[in-house]
Amino acid sequence: DGGITQSPKYLFRKEGQNVTLSCEQNLNHDAMYWYRQDPGQGLRLIYYSQIVNDFQKGDIAEGYSVSREKKESFPLTVTSAQKNPTAFYLCASNARQGYQETQYFGPGTRLLVL
Amino acid sequence: GQNIDQPTEMTATEGAIVQINCTYQTSGFNGLFWYQQHAGEAPTFLSYNVLDGLEEKGRFSSFLSRSKGYSYLLLKELQMKDSASYLCAVRSLYNFNKFYFGSGTKLNVKP
Repeated sequence: DGGITQSPKYLFRKEGQNVTLSCEQNLNHDAMYWYRQDPGQGLRLIYYSQIVNDFQKGDIAEGYSVSREKKESFPLTVTSAQKNPTAFYLCASNARQGYQETQYFGPGTRLLVL
Repeated sequence: GQNIDQPTEMTATEGAIVQINCTYQTSGFNGLFWYQQHAGEAPTFLSYNVLDGLEEKGRFSSFLSRSKGYSYLLLKELQMKDSASYLCAVRSLYNFNKFYFGSGTKLNVKP
């Protein structure tokens, strides 16, 4: 089955610690995205990548970093510079057929600060 | 700037029809998406409108009026499993990778 996987489902971070969230897709999609969702709010874009070895900052990139060494993988690192990291993190990828466009989401990682 | 507005919460009865509205003000428009999100889960894609009019997919339909900056999601024959949040998102014309999300409408379906 094709899809997007994220791990872990829950992640705990200690003060001053960097943590990395995994995102893998086998859909052969070029574009991948990381969003953050806070309770009662919409999704906000952290980073996105159009192709391998290229990525761009979204609206709230401060305190985060990404890499895109393979088409299938787009890991997100939450650094110690991110002062309020507790949130639900969602990875997504896009598919387009003609004018029809679909965005697929992974199951998400919930990050909590200890 | 970008501004996407949806009602915060709605309640409807099983078997009924409900319409969830979304209004947007964006500096450029290149498509509107609707997603369903059950509590604690990831959003799932429902529909995509880029042209004016109604798109129908089974019990779900989505309408777009670009001149009015308005869309709605219509859910027919409501089922208990339709209780979820419904997110409206607008894609930027100037950066195809930027999607602006509303805060979502929490739909409660009661028996």
